[in-house]
Amino acid sequence: DAGVIQSPRHEVTEMGQEVTLRCKPISGHDYLFWYRQTMMRGLELLIYFNNNVPIDDSGMPEDRFSAKMPNASFSTLKIQPSEPRDSAVYFCASSNQESEQFFGPGTRLTVL
Amino acid sequence: GNSVTQMEGPVTLSEEAFLTINCTYTATGYPSLFWYVQYPGEGLQLLLKATKADDKGSNKGFEATYRKETTSFHLEKGSVQVSDSAVYFCALRDSGYALNFGKGTSLLVTP
Repeated sequence: DAGVIQSPRHEVTEMGQEVTLRCKPISGHDYLFWYRQTMMRGLELLIYFNNNVPIDDSGMPEDRFSAKMPNASFSTLKIQPSEPRDSAVYFCASSNQESEQFFGPGTRLTVL
Repeated sequence: GNSVTQMEGPVTLSEEAFLTINCTYTATGYPSLFWYVQYPGEGLQLLLKATKADDKGSNKGFEATYRKETTSFHLEKGSVQVSDSAVYFCALRDSGYALNFGKGTSLLVTP
């Protein structure tokens, strides 16, 4: 298996623009997690899905952030409009009920 | 609520030195405990885990013992290598499936 795939790996955008981050989980995994990593706050869970249904989105910082999982093999995290304080590395991870979480390589987002 | 506290880094050691990275936790239930490692430019990888009190997780020469009485899960390695240079994260998972992470400890091993 190729592991968790994230795209793009790097994104540079200007304040106010819409940003979409993408994730393909490992086939057969029914849990998908989005995390944000910053120097100040460390790793924060934003949202997670089970069988494509959002279970806990209490970590989503504000309404500018939204996440979807239209099917078992694809999820998006969207920021609209983006702000400089959104600059971070965003990780996607997947697992099934018995396994560890497997992380993707991350998307480094820079908002100018 | 649940939380994980790790020692502040960075930690700098010479090759073959002994490593300890402290981790303590607060949890309402009986969590599973994990150590993840992040190499530069990569995502996190599971290093080891323990699911109940007194369990010892081990992998690649690293060990950690789940101590319920001290709510700790300290990471140790007897002889570090340059290739162990990375950021190490302690984490817990309680009743749900999400992980609570500590802030990470950066380790630099010099030749």
